[in-house]
Parts: sequence; structure tokens; C-alpha cells
Amino acid sequence: KNQVEQSPQSLIILEGKNCTLQCNYTVSPFSNLRWYKQDTGRGPVSLTIMTFSENTKSNGRYTATLDADTKQSSLHITASQLSDSASYICVVSGRTGANNLFFGTGTRLTVIP
Amino acid sequence: EPEVTQTPSHQVTQMGQEVILRCVPISNHLYFYWYRQILGQKVEFLVSFYNNEISEKSEIFDDQFSVERPDGSNFTLKIRSTKLEDSAMYFCASRGDSINYGYTFGSGTRLTVV
Repeated sequence: KNQVEQSPQSLIILEGKNCTLQCNYTVSPFSNLRWYKQDTGRGPVSLTIMTFSENTKSNGRYTATLDADTKQSSLHITASQLSDSASYICVVSGRTGANNLFFGTGTRLTVIP
Repeated sequence: EPEVTQTPSHQVTQMGQEVILRCVPISNHLYFYWYRQILGQKVEFLVSFYNNEISEKSEIFDDQFSVERPDGSNFTLKIRSTKLEDSAMYFCASRGDSINYGYTFGSGTRLTVV
């Protein structure tokens, strides 16, 4: 069964600190993995997208890693800011079918001053 | 940067009424999607649309739902007779012709059925 699991469910960190969010998936076949940031009441906004052959990708203070062998990904946020408070969703794309996005339940990150 | 635009941002409707949610995908995208997210839950796939027809739909997308691309720019989701459990955020998304392209999501329509 194609599933995407994220941990932790929620996380509270102090402004300026780093954090790492985890994503494990069982989607097969696999095409790519995306991390999205979703502010409350808004649509998901893409942070990174990685294909099978990529194992790291950065977007400013966000760095995503991918281990396609173990089917794990992480999103590392450096020097967190208050505006980083949001849900971070791991989304895995399979290769077949139009419905080829499998969503995780997200990690709710709260950055406090 | 190109955006997917959704209107209205918030819709309140009485149970049993019809609603139409509107989306303007990115102009050169070919694949269009509707997703929904019930408060506190994960995003769920509803339907995908390509080449002017539905290419796939989920179990959620029953006879009460329909989609249309009435012209070259708009993409609509209609719920014929809304139920309380239809209350959710509805997201439209579009992408280009490679599955490695990013899906661009709209900001969503919050539908509240009372």
C-alpha cells in the first residue's frame, strides 16, 4: 500500500534553532519526493523536489535529503524564524496514474521567540 | 511567478445547496486537479483532469461532484447537493507535462456547509 508517514506530528522550537523533520514512504514505483510548506488556511507551497537520483537539495534555509534505498527523506531547517511556523508536508509521486501524489499528514512546526 | 487562482476564498452554504468552486490554473499547464483537506487531516485527492476529460477520480468524488473546464482558462468543481461533511478546504492544482514538474496549488476555498 502506498503510504507516506511523517514525524514528529508537531514540534516547537525556539527562534534561531535548527530542526529536522522526517518522512518515510512506501510508494512504489517512485518518481520524486516533494516538501511543501502550508500556512494555516493556505495552499501548499513547494519547497523542494527531488528525483530518484538526487540525495540532497537546498532552498535557502531549507535542506532536503533523500535516501531512495531506505525510502526516507528529511527536511532540515536552519536558523528558524517565526515565519517558519507552518505545516510541512512530504508528498511522494509515483510513476503511474494521474493520481500520482501521496501526501503525508504533515509536521506542524511552531517557532517561538 | 505564475499562480493558480481560486475563488471564492471562503464560501458558506446551506446543506443541500449547490456550490461551484472556481480555479484558474497556470496557463501552459496541462493537468488539473482538485484536492480537499478536512480540518486537521491530510490532503486528499478528488479528481484529475487532462485533455478536457476526467483522467482519474477518487472514491470521494461521487455523483454529487462534477468538474468542468468551460473555457480555456477556468476549471470548476461543482457540488450539487452539499452535505455537512463536505466542509473542508478545497485546493485546485495544476502542472506541466512532466510528472517531475512541480504541482502548483492555489490558496484554496474554505467551504463551510451549515
